[in-house]
Amino acid sequence: GNSVTQMEGPVTLSEEAFLTINCTYTATGYPSLFWYVQYPGEGLQLLLKATKADDKGSNKGFEATYRKETTSFHLEKGSVQVSDSAVYFCALVLRDTGNQFYFGTGTSLTVIP
Amino acid sequence: KAGVTQTPRYLIKTRGQQVTLSCSPISGHRSVSWYQQTPGQGLQFLFEYFSETQRNKGNFPGRFSGRQFSNSRSEMNVSTLELGDSALYLCASSALSGGLGEQYFGPGTRLTVT
Repeated sequence: GNSVTQMEGPVTLSEEAFLTINCTYTATGYPSLFWYVQYPGEGLQLLLKATKADDKGSNKGFEATYRKETTSFHLEKGSVQVSDSAVYFCALVLRDTGNQFYFGTGTSLTVIP
Repeated sequence: KAGVTQTPRYLIKTRGQQVTLSCSPISGHRSVSWYQQTPGQGLQFLFEYFSETQRNKGNFPGRFSGRQFSNSRSEMNVSTLELGDSALYLCASSALSGGLGEQYFGPGTRLTVT
């Protein structure tokens, strides 16, 4: 089947620390991969995406590379800020299943000054 | 450009009742998807509507149903509510299906079943 596995949280980091949130997937076809972010009391916002192997998605200092050989899409940021505190979701979608996204369980990140 | 709107934002219902949630997509978007978010199960796909047709359906009982109108607005209905239906219900709209277009999420409707 199709599924996404994320590292368990919560994650607490000091400001300017390096962030990595691991994400691996299983898919019956060739997926597109996404990272979404959810701030308290809000819906999900697209952070970045990659649609084919070796693509790197990037946005707001975050980046993730689509690794087909390791079925991974790890999220990284070189220097986190307090404003990055949120829940991060890794997700995949297959073109032949419409917009049925498969989400990971989410990783809560808290950045302390 | 107005975002995805969901009404109501909060709802309290009693077991056995039914409920209807509404989602207005971004103007021009023809795809509307619904998700259930709970602490235990995370985000689970309910169904997607594209141009008034149900495109895909997740693994939920028949008590969960939906529809889409000609203006792309969508409603989701849950009948015979159970305590386990308490969740945040999110809808997302997109210009395209198949993950080709960016999905924009609404703020959600928080349903509490007592």
